[in-house]
Amino acid sequence: AQKITQTQPGMFVQEKEAVTLDCTYDTSDPSYGLFWYKQPSSGEMIFLIYQGSYDQQNATEGRYSLNFQKARKSANLVISASQLGDSAMYFCAMSLSGGSYIPTFGRGTSLIVHP
Amino acid sequence: DAGVIQSPRHEVTEMGQEVTLRCKPISGHDYLFWYRQTMMRGLELLIYFNNNVPIDDSGMPEDRFSAKMPNASFSTLKIQPSEPRDSAVYFCASSSVGPNTEAFFGQGTRLTVV
Repeated sequence: AQKITQTQPGMFVQEKEAVTLDCTYDTSDPSYGLFWYKQPSSGEMIFLIYQGSYDQQNATEGRYSLNFQKARKSANLVISASQLGDSAMYFCAMSLSGGSYIPTFGRGTSLIVHP
Repeated sequence: DAGVIQSPRHEVTEMGQEVTLRCKPISGHDYLFWYRQTMMRGLELLIYFNNNVPIDDSGMPEDRFSAKMPNASFSTLKIQPSEPRDSAVYFCASSSVGPNTEAFFGQGTRLTVV
């Protein structure tokens, strides 16, 4: 069975600083995808970034980057130059080729950006 | 495309009443998912469809829950009878086939059963 673990229930960061949100996963499937979503207080789920298990380089999307360490089974999200609008819940998710690519989500991390 | 569209956005109903949540996926997507989000349990997959066919409904909590997808552009999640513990945010999401395709979520339906 696949499992996603986010150990940080809450994180605080100063505006303009960088922050790392942790995510570890557990699977024996060699082919999988890792995703991060943002859920602001308004409630919608916003896709941020994707990393494939066979990708050689870490994914980047603007201020978001994914620190993918395959041997450690970790896929941490790094947000650079935090902004007040980054305050939200962040969810890590995984989909498996053996699981019909159905996303399974972690419990989320609440990020608060201080001015 | 307007994205995944869910209705209603908010629903307040009395215990015992039937509730129907609706979803229009993104055109061309092969998969449709229904998730439930609560503080206690996080985001749970209830059921998913592939090409309109229900594939796995093992996440549906009880027989009171049912879901249908009569065509590629419409799905419903029905709760009958509803109970206060069904109060949650229900998300519909859709995606294409493949490992590198993200799921696109609707705005969610916030259900309150009193």
